Amino acid sequence: AQKVTQAQTEISVVEKEDVTLDCVYETRDTTYYLFWYKQPPSGELVFLIRRNSFDEQNEISGRYSWNFQKSTSSFNFTITASQVVDSAVYFCALSVQNFNKFYFGSGTKLNVKP
Amino acid sequence: EAQVTQNPRYLITVTGKKLTVTCSQNMNHEYMSWYRQDPGLGLRQIYYSMNVEVTDKGDVPEGYKVSRKEKRNFPLILESPSPNQTSLYFCASSLRGAPSGNTIYFGEGSWLTVV
Repeated sequence: AQKVTQAQTEISVVEKEDVTLDCVYETRDTTYYLFWYKQPPSGELVFLIRRNSFDEQNEISGRYSWNFQKSTSSFNFTITASQVVDSAVYFCALSVQNFNKFYFGSGTKLNVKP
Repeated sequence: EAQVTQNPRYLITVTGKKLTVTCSQNMNHEYMSWYRQDPGLGLRQIYYSMNVEVTDKGDVPEGYKVSRKEKRNFPLILESPSPNQTSLYFCASSLRGAPSGNTIYFGEGSWLTVV
């Protein structure tokens, strides 16, 4: 069975603090994709990153970075020097079965205070 | 502009009254999918379609139907809506699942309330 766990329901930080959002996944498939999406208060889903199961390289994009570790089945997301505009709900997701089936975590609500 | 368009965006309906939420994409994508988002549960996949006339169940298909008669459209049908189907619904499309180099495009969401 597939599962994505985001244990942090809500996190509050002060602007400029670094924050890490945790994501742990479960799957027996050897080929899979992992994603992070941002959902701002307006409700739309914004794609942040996709990583395949064969690529464990960490990635950095501006203030965002992702740490993929297959050994611990984790795909954590770090925001450096957080800003108020980062306030949103963040979802981690897993895709299996030739990328037709998707499983989302329950989301982490990030509050960045000025 | 690449778009996934859902209609209606907001709807309040009554139990048992059939309704259809339309989804249309302009990117010639083969893959389309429907999700519902509920507090504390994240998004759950309802149905997906790999191409015209090819559909399959996601995790929570009960109470829903879909059809894929044309590549661009993937309507979600609630034959007899019930209050537990009150949710935020998202349609998504991509070239094929999540192939290398492509992202998944989501619609803006449809807020559905069943009373």
